[in-house]
Amino acid sequence: EAQVTQNPRYLITVTGKKLTVTCSQNMNHEYMSWYRQDPGLGLRQIYYSMNVEVTDKGDVPEGYKVSRKEKRNFPLILESPSPNQTSLYFCASRPLAGGQETQYFGPGTRLLVL
Amino acid sequence: AQKITQTQPGMFVQEKEAVTLDCTYDTSDPSYGLFWYKQPSSGEMIFLIYQGSYDQQNATEGRYSLNFQKARKSANLVISASQLGDSAMYFCAMREFWNDMRFGAGTRLTVKP
Repeated sequence: EAQVTQNPRYLITVTGKKLTVTCSQNMNHEYMSWYRQDPGLGLRQIYYSMNVEVTDKGDVPEGYKVSRKEKRNFPLILESPSPNQTSLYFCASRPLAGGQETQYFGPGTRLLVL
Repeated sequence: AQKITQTQPGMFVQEKEAVTLDCTYDTSDPSYGLFWYKQPSSGEMIFLIYQGSYDQQNATEGRYSLNFQKARKSANLVISASQLGDSAMYFCAMREFWNDMRFGAGTRLTVKP
């Protein structure tokens, strides 16, 4: 089954404690991205990657890091989380050409930073 | 820069009636795609419908149709014969050819029995 998986699905942590949210896709997509969703703001892109070892900032990259060492994986790293990073996070993937191809979203990770 | 506007934070509709969710967009790129997603309370993003900027006809997918008015830069989602299971958050999104997808703020639809 074609899918994007994220782990963990739910996470409660404290300010400053480094965490990683994993993302993996099994569709051989070149393009992967991370979004955060906040009430009244919709989904905003954090980082994206067009292929292995190619990453770039989205609209709200501050406080986040990513890496793309393998095509299927695109982890999101919060080195020193703060309460304003409490949000719902989505990983997504699609073929690089895009066009009418929708993005395939992971199930989401709900993060609470105390 | 791309901009997507959904002006209805919340909408109510009676079961079995039709409802229109508004979406306007701003772009100077002639090639773009418009998408609608549904997000139920469980949180996942479900793709509903796509409209390309060069498509001559409005897209339809079952009970969903997209009312595409290119000159007005609007891409409203029409849901016919609403069902209780349609209660959810709905997001409009646009992707220009070389850019990534941008989302509106969303509209929360509640279907009343």
